[in-house]
Order: sequence, then structure tokens, then C-alpha cells
Amino acid sequence: DGGITQSPKYLFRKEGQNVTLSCEQNLNHDAMYWYRQDPGQGLRLIYYSQIVNDFQKGDIAEGYSVSREKKESFPLTVTSAQKNPTAFYLCASSNRPSGNTGELFFGEGSRLTVL
Amino acid sequence: EDKVVQSPLSLVVHEGDTVTLNCSYEVTNFRSLLWYKQEKKAPTFLFMLTSSGIEKKSGRLSSILDKKELSSILNITATQTGDSAIYLCAPDTGRRALTFGSGTRLQVQP
Repeated sequence: DGGITQSPKYLFRKEGQNVTLSCEQNLNHDAMYWYRQDPGQGLRLIYYSQIVNDFQKGDIAEGYSVSREKKESFPLTVTSAQKNPTAFYLCASSNRPSGNTGELFFGEGSRLTVL
Repeated sequence: EDKVVQSPLSLVVHEGDTVTLNCSYEVTNFRSLLWYKQEKKAPTFLFMLTSSGIEKKSGRLSSILDKKELSSILNITATQTGDSAIYLCAPDTGRRALTFGSGTRLQVQP
């Protein structure tokens, strides 16, 4: 079945460590996105990529890094520079119909807890 | 800067009640507005609205867009406990990615 796979589902990190969250899609979508969700809040955009080998900062990119070397993959690294990384991370993709963002298809999310 | 405001932030109702959720936006180059339902993990798509005044309906859920008022409402009639979720709206400007509102947390009690 086509979809988006995020891993791991749960992750614990010690302060000072970098961690990488995986996001893979087999929908053949050009665009991919990373959002952060804190308890009781909406989704905030971290990074997005509209095409392979290109990505842009979102609203809260500080302390995060991404790469887009393959169309199917958009991993997110949470670096030690991110001061408050405990959150729920959602990856999404879209096929950007007619230049619009269009419907986003979401993965099941990764919950990161810093110990 | 794009701005999306949802109200109320939180709502508790009893089964059978009807609820109306609001989404207002201030964005440039508006193209459409999307509604999502998030129960536990992944948000699931509900509606995409592009034209004012045309209601979209799916079962007990319906939504309508008012471009003049820069807003949209999501109605749920005869609520059930399975409607308990966070409801998110996001205008699409085509420029980068969807900017989501803070969501409305709906709790339906038996």
C-alpha cells in the first residue's frame, strides 16, 4: 500500500545528543514536510522540500537539519542545539497539484522525549 | 506573515449535540482551505474548500467557506464519541507549505 512511513515511533534522547527521524514515502510525491506538534497545539512547520536536492526552512527550523537526496526520503535531524526537542514530529508529503500545496498525506508520527 | 485562528480552542459536548468549529485566516494568495481531523497520531483529511458558499458534506460533517469574511466553519451534527479529536484547518497559498491553526480540541461525552 502507498503511504508514508516514519520511524522510530518512540525515541528517547539524552541531552546533548543528535537524533535522526526517518521519513519514507512511496506515493511518488515531489514535496515533503516536517511539522512539530506540542501538547494541545497545532502543527508548526520545521522544514519543507518541494523537489529533490532542495529544501527550505519553515517557521521553527533552528536546531534542526534535513536532507533530500532521494525523492522518497526526507530525514530530520534534531540537533543538540534544539533547546526543547521533546515533541511529536509529523512528516507529510503532497503532489502539489497545479502549484498548490494540496492535500497533505501524513505519517503516523515520531514521539521524541529528552531525558 | 500568514495567520490562522481557530475557535473555540476546546469544546466539551454530549453525544447528540451539534457543534460548529470556526477557522479564520489572514494570508496572501489564498487558494483553498483544508480541514483535518487528528484523533491520536496522523491527521486525516476531511475537506478542501475553494469556492465561497458551496457546502461540502460527508455524513454528519459539513463545511463551508466565506471568502469575504476570510473564514470557514466545520459543522458536526448528532455528535458521537468517535468525533472526539483535534480539528485542524489550514489555508493553502501555494507558496510553501500549509500553515495550520492551533486546532480545536473536541471532546464528546457519552
